Amino acid sequence: LAKTTQPISMDSYEGQEVNITCSHNNIATNDYITWYQQFPSQGPRFIIQGYKTKVTNEVASLFIPADRKSSTLSLPRVSLSDTAVYYCLVGRSGGYQKVTFGTGTKLQVIP
Amino acid sequence: GAVVSQHPSWVICKSGTSVKIECRSLDFQATTMFWYRQFPKQSLMLMATSNEGSKATYEQGVEKDKFLINHASLTLSTLTVTSAHPEDSSFYICSARHDYQSYNEQFFGPGTRLTVL
Repeated sequence: LAKTTQPISMDSYEGQEVNITCSHNNIATNDYITWYQQFPSQGPRFIIQGYKTKVTNEVASLFIPADRKSSTLSLPRVSLSDTAVYYCLVGRSGGYQKVTFGTGTKLQVIP
Repeated sequence: GAVVSQHPSWVICKSGTSVKIECRSLDFQATTMFWYRQFPKQSLMLMATSNEGSKATYEQGVEKDKFLINHASLTLSTLTVTSAHPEDSSFYICSARHDYQSYNEQFFGPGTRLTVL
């Protein structure tokens, strides 16, 4: 299982764009990169998933360079409700491969 | 779609008793479900992989006789904490993967807060 490394915490003011980078040097060819958001005392919630280049949905963008050894979750114009822990996971598509959660990044949005 | 529920959402029990937590995939089939444990201010730790119709696969260090997992149908997995002790107090979260989905996305339940007195 590819190990991931993220900053432990980040602070941002409301309305700013936030970029959280995840390092996954040992990513395998079949691995996808998935980001989850978790609020206190709740289960994680899927944000976005990608394999390479750029993926965008209604809540975030995911940038993956050509070597795929890192990825960046971009949250546009964060609000106080975006205060949460964000986890980057790397795992294979298909099948029923288990994934391992890293430490995650605690994002604190400041008014 | 792709909703996972857990019951109960919280439970308080006396030391030495057993507690059962249910995990259900409400609108999809899930041959495989996962059970996690999360202590305060820590990340999720995978406890076991639950497979419908077969024995669960436990992670290293997780006692299979203490944390009994039963995956009796394609939509239900249960975790029973046997002879619970205060150190078992934690937030237990299950997740399920859609049988017909190709990506590695897991759908997580809302979690169950277990407090052992």
